[in-house]
Amino acid sequence: TQLLEQSPQFLSIQEGENLTVYCNSSSVFSSLQWYRQEPGEGPVLLVTVVTGGEVKKLKRLTFQFGDARKDSSLHITAAQTGDTGLYLCAGAPPGSIQGAQKLVFGQGTRLTINP
Amino acid sequence: KAGVTQTPRYLIKTRGQQVTLSCSPISGHRSVSWYQQTPGQGLQFLFEYFSETQRNKGNFPGRFSGRQFSNSRSEMNVSTLELGDSALYLCASSSGLAGGTNTGELFFGEGSRLTVL
Repeated sequence: TQLLEQSPQFLSIQEGENLTVYCNSSSVFSSLQWYRQEPGEGPVLLVTVVTGGEVKKLKRLTFQFGDARKDSSLHITAAQTGDTGLYLCAGAPPGSIQGAQKLVFGQGTRLTINP
Repeated sequence: KAGVTQTPRYLIKTRGQQVTLSCSPISGHRSVSWYQQTPGQGLQFLFEYFSETQRNKGNFPGRFSGRQFSNSRSEMNVSTLELGDSALYLCASSSGLAGGTNTGELFFGEGSRLTVL
């Protein structure tokens, strides 16, 4: 069974600070996605990384896929209160049917940005 | 375009009952996946349907079942409910097609929150 472990599970920081969330596994994934979920809503995709070592930036958010495609990180620069939410990483197991969606999700990191 | 619609949003059942949840995917999407979200286990994959066929299945007991209709709408059913089935059930749609414009993105609905008493 493939597992994704996220750390930290909870993070509360002040506005303007930087933070990093980690997503680790002993298994290889063909791709990895990061989602953000707000209360009362379903998760919304932030980014998909596919290539080992890939780095993607989305405004103040930087996502990195590990060289071995077993881990990923999300770094937020100068956090804002609007960044508050549950951040989820999700991996697609190798060998998945093309186009099929059977993602393995991490437990999530509940991020609170205080004004 | 309209998003993924799940009904009902909230429901309360008692142990031993059964429940049916409905999901209407984004127009044009042929894949519907179901996930169970609980505080302890996070999001866990239940099953995926594509063109009315179950294409992937997670590790849930047979009490959890689903189906997809010709218009891509999907339903999931849980029979003989247990207290541990209390959760947010999320439906996600995607094109389900390989390559091309498929980014692998899942579009989630707001979920159906089931409470089993």
